Amino acid sequence: RKEVEQDPGPFNVPEGATVAFNCTYSNSASQSFFWYRQDCRKEPKLLMSVYSSGNEDGRFTAQLNRASQYISLLIRDSKLSDSATYLCVVIKSGGSYIPTFGRGTSLIVHP
Amino acid sequence: DAGVTQSPTHLIKTRGQQVTLRCSPKSGHDTVSWYQQALGQGPQFIFQYYEEEERQRGNFPDRFSGHQFPNYSSELNVNALLLGDSALYLCASSRQKTDTQYFGPGTRLTVL
Repeated sequence: RKEVEQDPGPFNVPEGATVAFNCTYSNSASQSFFWYRQDCRKEPKLLMSVYSSGNEDGRFTAQLNRASQYISLLIRDSKLSDSATYLCVVIKSGGSYIPTFGRGTSLIVHP
Repeated sequence: DAGVTQSPTHLIKTRGQQVTLRCSPKSGHDTVSWYQQALGQGPQFIFQYYEEEERQRGNFPDRFSGHQFPNYSSELNVNALLLGDSALYLCASSRQKTDTQYFGPGTRLTVL
C-alpha cells in the first residue's frame, strides 16, 4: 500500500458545483498535512495547510480525520480557474522530516 | 520579493552523462529541498539541505548528490544518467527545515 493515496480522477464538474477530494495516508505517526495546487507543466503552489480542527479559506475547506487517516478538500462554487491537479502532502512526526506527496487528483471544471 | 528560481528551465542529456541543476531560494529562506516529478506522478523527495549539509534524504541512489552554498543556493547533481531520470526536477525553499515549502518553476530534464 502506498504511503499517500489519491484518486487520480479526472473529476469533471460544471461551474458552480461542489466537489470533494480525499487523500488517505498509511502512517499513523503523520503530523503535518497540506494541499497544493499544480497547473499543467507548472510548479506546485501551496493551497492550504490542514489543521486538526479543520480550516476554511473562501470557497475551500480542508479537514483531517485522524481516526480514518485521511484528509479532504472541499471546493464550493467551482470556477473554470479551479481546473488543476490537487496534491496532498503528508509529513511524518519525529526527527525525520520527509514530505510525501500523493500523485494528485485532476479537476476539470467545464462551462 | 523574488521567489524561488531554478536554472536551466530545460535540459537534454544522453545516457551516462552528468548534470547539474541550480536553485536560488526565496529571500529569507535558508532551507532547500529537491524533488523529482515524473509525468503523472506527485513530486518525490530527493533530499533537503540546511546549513550547507544534507539533513534528510529520500529513497534515491548515490548518483544523486547535492550541495548548498553559504548564500543558501543549492545544486543538484546527477551522475551516470539513466533514461528513467527524465523528469521535472523541483526545488523548494523554506525558512526552516519544517516550515511551509515554496516551489520553483522546475527544470525539465530529458535523457535520451
